Amino acid sequence: GAVVSQHPSRVICKSGTSVKIECRSLDFQATTMFWYRQFPKQSLMLMATSNEGSKATYEQGVEKDKFLINHASLTLSTLTVTSAHPEDSSFYICSAPGGGPREQFFGPGTRLTVL
Amino acid sequence: GNSVTQMEGPVTLSEEAFLTINCTYTATGYPSLFWYVQYPGEGLQLLLKATKADDKGSNKGFEATYRKETTSFHLEKGSVQVSDSAVYFCALQPDRGSTLGRLYFGRGTQLTVWP
Repeated sequence: GAVVSQHPSRVICKSGTSVKIECRSLDFQATTMFWYRQFPKQSLMLMATSNEGSKATYEQGVEKDKFLINHASLTLSTLTVTSAHPEDSSFYICSAPGGGPREQFFGPGTRLTVL
Repeated sequence: GNSVTQMEGPVTLSEEAFLTINCTYTATGYPSLFWYVQYPGEGLQLLLKATKADDKGSNKGFEATYRKETTSFHLEKGSVQVSDSAVYFCALQPDRGSTLGRLYFGRGTQLTVWP
C-alpha cells in the first residue's frame, strides 16, 4: 500500500537552533498533508494543514512563525521548527489523505529533543 | 466541539483473552469513526472504520460498531494474540468544518499481550 515517510526519525538539537522535518508521500501525490504533534501519553493534536501551492492553515494556538510549513511539491511537505526550545520537544507526525474515502496514511513520526 | 475520550491504559492481557477498549466521542453532525493501530517504530495504520450509525467496522478479528445513541465506538476482539501488542487510537473525522479531512484522536491505549 501507499507509504508516507518522515525524515529524520529522531533528532537532537541545541536550544535556539532550527530543525527541518520532511514528510514524503512515496507512491502517490498529496495536495494536502497534515502535521500532528503528540505529547507523551496524550493524543495527537493537529498543528496545521499543509496545502500544495498555497499557505498552510494553522490551528488555533500554533505559532506560524515558529512552525514553518512548506508544501514544496505534490509529494513533499516540510515542517521547520525555528529557534527550538526544550518545550518544543515532542513527537511530530504527518499524514496524507489516501487509501479510500476519508482515509489517511501516516508517517512513522519524528522524535525531536531540544537540549 | 469535537473530541474523543478513550479508555486509558495500559491494558495487559494473556493470549486468547477477550479485549475491549472503550471509546466515546463528541461531535456535531455525522462524523466518521476510526481505530488506528501503531506498532513499535511504525506509523499509525488504519485498523477499521465506520462512516455512519450502526455500521460495524471489522478487520483482523477486531470489531467496532458505530453507536450514535451512546456516541460510542468500542473496539473488541474475541481472542487476542501476542502480535496484537501495540498502541490503539480511536479517532473521528467530522463531516463538516473548516479543515475537512483532519482527525481528532483519543489519547491512545497501550495493549500488551503475554503468551
